[in-house]
Amino acid sequence: GQSLEQPSEVTAVEGAIVQINCTYQTSGFYGLSWYQQHDGGAPTFLSYNALDGLEETGRFSSFLSRSDSYGYLLLQELQMKDSASYFCAVRFFSSGSARQLTFGSGTQLTVLP
Amino acid sequence: EAGVTQFPSHSVIEKGQTVTLRCDPISGHDNLYWYRRVMGKEIKFLLHFVKESKQDESGMPNNRFLAERTGGTYSTLKVQPAELEDSGVYFCASSQTMNTEAFFGQGTRLTVV
Repeated sequence: GQSLEQPSEVTAVEGAIVQINCTYQTSGFYGLSWYQQHDGGAPTFLSYNALDGLEETGRFSSFLSRSDSYGYLLLQELQMKDSASYFCAVRFFSSGSARQLTFGSGTQLTVLP
Repeated sequence: EAGVTQFPSHSVIEKGQTVTLRCDPISGHDNLYWYRRVMGKEIKFLLHFVKESKQDESGMPNNRFLAERTGGTYSTLKVQPAELEDSGVYFCASSQTMNTEAFFGQGTRLTVV
């Protein structure tokens, strides 16, 4: 089966930098995605890593190490609006060619003024 | 372009009743997924359609759940009869291909009392 581990809660202040780690166990690994979800809203895609290394998109960066089955999401220059749940999700081969997405339990980020 | 839309946004039903959730994917997206988040836990995969065919239904919890996607456009997820443990938020997502990222709807919050 698949399993993902990420911290349940993280708190930081405005302007700070936060790193949310994610470790996973899966067969047929294809890639690691990150999603953001505000209360009551739809999970919104942030980033995707299929290869080792760092992907940067504005204030957000995501890192993957396939050999360590580990990735992280880095949020810089935190803003109050960044307070949300952040999910890591692995994409893996399932049922032949299907690439299923399995989510972690989510990390609740609280940004303080 | 309209995003993924789900109906209803909220549903409160009694144990033993039937509920049908609807998802309209982004136009042109062949891949449609159903997910469920129960009691703030991880977002769990239920099933995956490619057009009208069920590609992977390994996440469906039991035979009280029936998903259909007649015509390969919108999809319905029926729960019959509903049990208390079925309460949660049901998300639908769609993607153009299995390699491209999935876009989520706002979810249907189901409460079984």
